[in-house]
Amino acid sequence: DQQVKQNSPSLSVQEGRISILNCDYTNSMFDYFLWYKKYPAEGPTFLISISSIKDKNEDGRFTVFLNKSAKHLSLHIVPSQPGDSAVYFCAASAPYGGSQGNLIFGKGTKLSVKP
Amino acid sequence: DAGVTQSPTHLIKTRGQQVTLRCSPKSGHDTVSWYQQALGQGPQFIFQYYEEEERQRGNFPDRFSGHQFPNYSSELNVNALLLGDSALYLCASSLRWGLRDEKLFFGSGTQLSVL
Repeated sequence: DQQVKQNSPSLSVQEGRISILNCDYTNSMFDYFLWYKKYPAEGPTFLISISSIKDKNEDGRFTVFLNKSAKHLSLHIVPSQPGDSAVYFCAASAPYGGSQGNLIFGKGTKLSVKP
Repeated sequence: DAGVTQSPTHLIKTRGQQVTLRCSPKSGHDTVSWYQQALGQGPQFIFQYYEEEERQRGNFPDRFSGHQFPNYSSELNVNALLLGDSALYLCASSLRWGLRDEKLFFGSGTQLSVL
């Protein structure tokens, strides 16, 4: 049973527009959420995170929103650039999971930003 | 500054064989986590090592074992390989165990194919 779900396997966006990637989770014990980006033949790289005590976190063009009541988070990329084309993974961890080493990942969403 | 390095990059084995994958963490990091990423799936946590001991373990059978050396590098061993073990194996390092805001840095992975 998937605890972290990314229901859109792919997303295509025009350069300069907003990209919105969604993620749902089922485990109410999760209290820390992260987004990783992965290019082909490379390992995932950390993008942005949010603690459950917040509902928004921004870092440049990237903003993550957390709706705890809906168990939903989203990643907004504004403006989208062709270099953002990659697979984006949503991940979560719970207090009993210890350090960030034990993350639960979604299946990923492949973002394509077209020039 | 070298990031996380993994070897080999690709490996082909036969069912029933044993395999050893290697990982050197990012300079200054002392904690190593291993993940399995099957095709079309997100990374799945195997286990984490700190101070040469296994600290956490995911839902993987005992055929999966590991080791961490005094220089913080790590090995993942898989015995009695099954076709279903074919996957990308990712190593991730972080600064210390127990701090949940420590970022994970991933290597590029070892692509294991079991025939």
